[in-house]
Amino acid sequence: GESVGLHLPTLSVQEGDNSIINCAYSNSASDYFIWYKQESGKGPQFIIDIRSNMDKRQGQRVTVLLNKTVKHLSLQIAATQPGDSAVYFCAETLSSGTYKYIFGTGTRLKVLA
Amino acid sequence: EPEVTQTPSHQVTQMGQEVILRCVPISNHLYFYWYRQILGQKVEFLVSFYNNEISEKSEIFDDQFSVERPDGSNFTLKIRSTKLEDSAMYFCASKGLRLHSYEQYFGPGTRLTVT
Repeated sequence: GESVGLHLPTLSVQEGDNSIINCAYSNSASDYFIWYKQESGKGPQFIIDIRSNMDKRQGQRVTVLLNKTVKHLSLQIAATQPGDSAVYFCAETLSSGTYKYIFGTGTRLKVLA
Repeated sequence: EPEVTQTPSHQVTQMGQEVILRCVPISNHLYFYWYRQILGQKVEFLVSFYNNEISEKSEIFDDQFSVERPDGSNFTLKIRSTKLEDSAMYFCASKGLRLHSYEQYFGPGTRLTVT
């Protein structure tokens, strides 16, 4: 089974700085990856996705990088704002079958004013 | 914008009691999921549902759990005899049939507290 941590890693950044949140995924067959943001008391909200045939995808203020060799994803947030404070999860899935998500351990992002 | 809704937002129940958590997925979606999140831990897959039947379930989803789509709009998760360790946030999610789209839309969750 997957290991589950009791304490989320925390990243503290100054407002206006760039944030980089990392994630390791488990299944080398996974071909679709997603970043979700979870604010306190709410459900996960979609941020950005990337398919396995890409290395990088950019959105508004966010960039996702995929390194399939080491099964690693990162989320870069430019000019981090107080509203970015949340827990960030990566998830992996297959583009076939049930499309269930396997979530990674989240990272808590704290934006310091 | 359409959204997934869940009721109740918070359910408190005694150990051994049955609970039903309710979800209304996005109306034209065809894939439905339940996930749970124990406090401070990551979100875990419980079950997926498609074409009126379970398509996959995790080890967590034992005989105490069941899902139903009773009327074409609601999607329910029933826990027959709750245990203390069932205390968690339960999230419903749905996915449409759009080609090459794998995004799931999550509801706000139901916090289940078993005492």
